[in-house]
Amino acid sequence: ETGVTQTPRHLVMGMTNKKSLKCEQHLGHNAMYWYKQSAKKPLELMFVYSLEERVENNSVPSRFSPECPNSSHLFLHLHTLQPEDSALYLCASSQDVRDRVETQYFGPGTRLLVL
Amino acid sequence: AQKVTQAQTEISVVEKEDVTLDCVYETRDTTYYLFWYKQPPSGELVFLIRRNSFDEQNEISGRYSWNFQKSTSSFNFTITASQVVDSAVYFCALSEAPYGQNFVFGPGTRLSVLP
Repeated sequence: ETGVTQTPRHLVMGMTNKKSLKCEQHLGHNAMYWYKQSAKKPLELMFVYSLEERVENNSVPSRFSPECPNSSHLFLHLHTLQPEDSALYLCASSQDVRDRVETQYFGPGTRLLVL
Repeated sequence: AQKVTQAQTEISVVEKEDVTLDCVYETRDTTYYLFWYKQPPSGELVFLIRRNSFDEQNEISGRYSWNFQKSTSSFNFTITASQVVDSAVYFCALSEAPYGQNFVFGPGTRLSVLP
């Protein structure tokens, strides 16, 4: 059991829609991450949060807006997406972001299709 | 800049065969960490191993073994007596330590083990 859950598992949305992806970790970790995995690119780190504070934002377009209300929950708010944003979005958590060597535990991902 | 190369896009083997997945990395740091993850069809990433740059001892875990060679910047992964359940995409990843912005995944190798 990974201890990291993501909802929904699948999402289809139009370019004018607004939706949110949710991630929850039950491991007592302090750091959470959003990754994007598309068909033609390696896994890409999007955002990193440590104790609810964003510590990394890897040049992600503003149509992706993360939110971390507490150390157990992470959201990714989506608005006016493009078809090329269709991908698998993976959430992960680790004990402490300052020691990046710590194992990251991944959720099952949300497969997003933008029409 | 960091880079991880997995030259094998797809590999197919017959059950019980041994298979080696290649991983070559680039980094300017003398301290770094290497990882292998497995991504089964269900989508989540499963951590397999973490190796730091100061430890070149090879590691064996059941049917899995890893060969780390700094001289060739490689961290290859071998599955002995492969099984159908080993079918997945395998990712090699590199992280610089201590806390930094670069945690890079390779493009992955899709392994199909045929019965």
